[in-house]
Formats: sequence, structure tokens, C-alpha cells
Amino acid sequence: DIQMTQSPASLSASLGETVTIECRASEDIYSNLAWYQQKPGNSPQLLIYDANSLADGVPSRFSGSGSGTQYSLKINSLQSEDVASYFCQQYNNYLTFGSGTKLEIK
Amino acid sequence: EVQLVESGGGLVQPGRSLKLSCAASGFTFSNYGMAWVCQAPTKGLEWVASISTGGGNTYYRDSVKGRFTISRDNAKNTLYLQMDSLRSEDTATYYCARRGKSPYFDYWGQGVMVTVSS
Repeated sequence: DIQMTQSPASLSASLGETVTIECRASEDIYSNLAWYQQKPGNSPQLLIYDANSLADGVPSRFSGSGSGTQYSLKINSLQSEDVASYFCQQYNNYLTFGSGTKLEIK
Repeated sequence: EVQLVESGGGLVQPGRSLKLSCAASGFTFSNYGMAWVCQAPTKGLEWVASISTGGGNTYYRDSVKGRFTISRDNAKNTLYLQMDSLRSEDTATYYCARRGKSPYFDYWGQGVMVTVSS
């Protein structure tokens, strides 16, 4: 099974800041990676697919990058509505999720 | 508008069965692969099972193989998860999710809680 190591587990940042969340795969996943946002009490929502493609309706302050085993999600100009947990998911070989990053506003 | 509405959750004793349903609307259900993803309380997400558009191909995580069965009825626009021989570790919120162009999930239901306890 492909393991996804996500960091940090939690993150506190100020409004307007830029934050970066990272996922490392245990083997090359060839950009077969998605990012999801899950707001408290809600179901997950797709943010990014194929490592760097923005899903429909997602603000352009969200971006994804990476290749091979290393991937990242960047949020520019942090806003209050970005408070959520964020998960990566690989789909190169079956499906596995990262353990999540809880983002709070400082 | 795409909608996925799960039902059928609840409290069940270990070893018993439960069947979840997911009613889909707002898109051509038969054109999309579907899946179930679970989330234990305060934990992360875990893929459970997937099914192809016609239902002929199904895939399961190891821990549920032989106990859970994913199926679909395209005439009723409904996805199912038959859960047998339930264990306490199956306790989670179960989400129905629509497969995108690749095996990521572009739409999710609101989730249904399954609690396995005596």
C-alpha cells in the first residue's frame, strides 16, 4: 500500500498570510494526487486534482504543485473561511489519504 | 445541482448487518463511478469501496473484503453498501462520493453515521 505522510498535523496562521501543506508519498505517484478541504461539521470538498488542477468553483488563492513523491498545497492570502482540515489523497495505486492538517486562524 | 444523500446508518451490535443507501440526483448517475469513504470520529478519511459505472467492477480495502458489498441500481440512481459481520472498528461516518475523471472524488454526500457497539 502507498503511504501518504502529511505535514504539519496542525497549523495556525494570520489572516492574509500564505500557508503551505505538504504530502509525501511512499513511492512515486506520478501526480495522481488530490487535495480536499473539510470544514467543521461538513463533508470534504475537492480543491485540487492531478496535483495542480484547480477544481470548479475553487478560489484561485488555492494552488497545488509537486511531482514524484513530494506534493504541496498552498493557500495565498489566508481568509477566515479557510479554517478547515485539509487532506491529500493519492490515486495512483488504489486510494489512500493523508492524515490531515487542521488549519486555524491565529 | 449534484446531490448525494446517504441513509441507513444507525447503532448496530457487533456481528450484525446494515445496508447504506445513497440517492443521487442532478447528474447522469450511470455515467459515473462511485465510492464509499469513511471517517472514524475525529480521525482522517479512509477509502472503503468503489464501483464502476455499470457495476461490473468492484474494489475494496483489505479490511472490509468479504464483509462489505458495494452495488448500484442505475434505474433507481442509487448506490448501496451492504455491511455484514460489523466490528467496532467499522464505527465511522460513511460518505458516498462521485468519482471524477480519475479516482478522485468531485462530489460528496453529507455522510451517515454507523456505530457498532453492544
